[in-house]
Amino acid sequence: EGQLVQSGAEVKKPGESLKISCKDSGDSFSNYWIGWVRQRPGKGLEWIGIIFPHDSEVKYSPSFQGRVTISADKSISTAYLQWSSLKASDTAMYYCARFRLIYWGVNWFDPWGQGTLVTVSS
Amino acid sequence: QSVLTQPPSASGTPGQRVTISCSGSTSNIGSNSVNWYQQLPGSAPQLLIYSNDQRPSGVPDRFSGSKSGTSASLAISGLQSEDEADYYCAAWDDSLNGDLFGTGTKVTVL
Repeated sequence: EGQLVQSGAEVKKPGESLKISCKDSGDSFSNYWIGWVRQRPGKGLEWIGIIFPHDSEVKYSPSFQGRVTISADKSISTAYLQWSSLKASDTAMYYCARFRLIYWGVNWFDPWGQGTLVTVSS
Repeated sequence: QSVLTQPPSASGTPGQRVTISCSGSTSNIGSNSVNWYQQLPGSAPQLLIYSNDQRPSGVPDRFSGSKSGTSASLAISGLQSEDEADYYCAAWDDSLNGDLFGTGTKVTVL
């Protein structure tokens, strides 16, 4: 199992689109769920959703459903989080993390990526 | 929106024991296991306790977790300066069909 390496910081204007990435350096990418977590400046952690790269099954938090899209390309061991129209309120640090699933209800995030800072400002 | 409630802050002197609570409901902590994450200043979160009371390799045994009913606790014994961080509990929520994070607790070593 490898590390998760995220793409670099982004500065965007409201209304622009964005896709950030999370690359797994190991060789078991398709066999584990990968999740995304938001942390707004000075605030706590928020669960965005998870994807199972093997079949691209995705679960979204109701708070983020319709606002973001989670996808994955198992051929390059990379997961993505994307927006079609950014808002200033999307300004935050975004973390990816491997979602260890024993069974639903017994699961945890480990390890975490280093984070991608997204700044949306006019 | 369901929420896991933690005290915003906790503190202690070096060597003391500090306990952080995490209060939820029957749809999350009451039905599922609890995890704890430590976020050091300027760093990504990292797993501290999983499945209520299990420590990943490399986590000192000064950290311990427990769960009872719809609440969970994280205890730090023998508090050290490097334990200054934000701590978050988390649990799967059956109503949301997703994970919930706690509100977070900032631990200060006096």
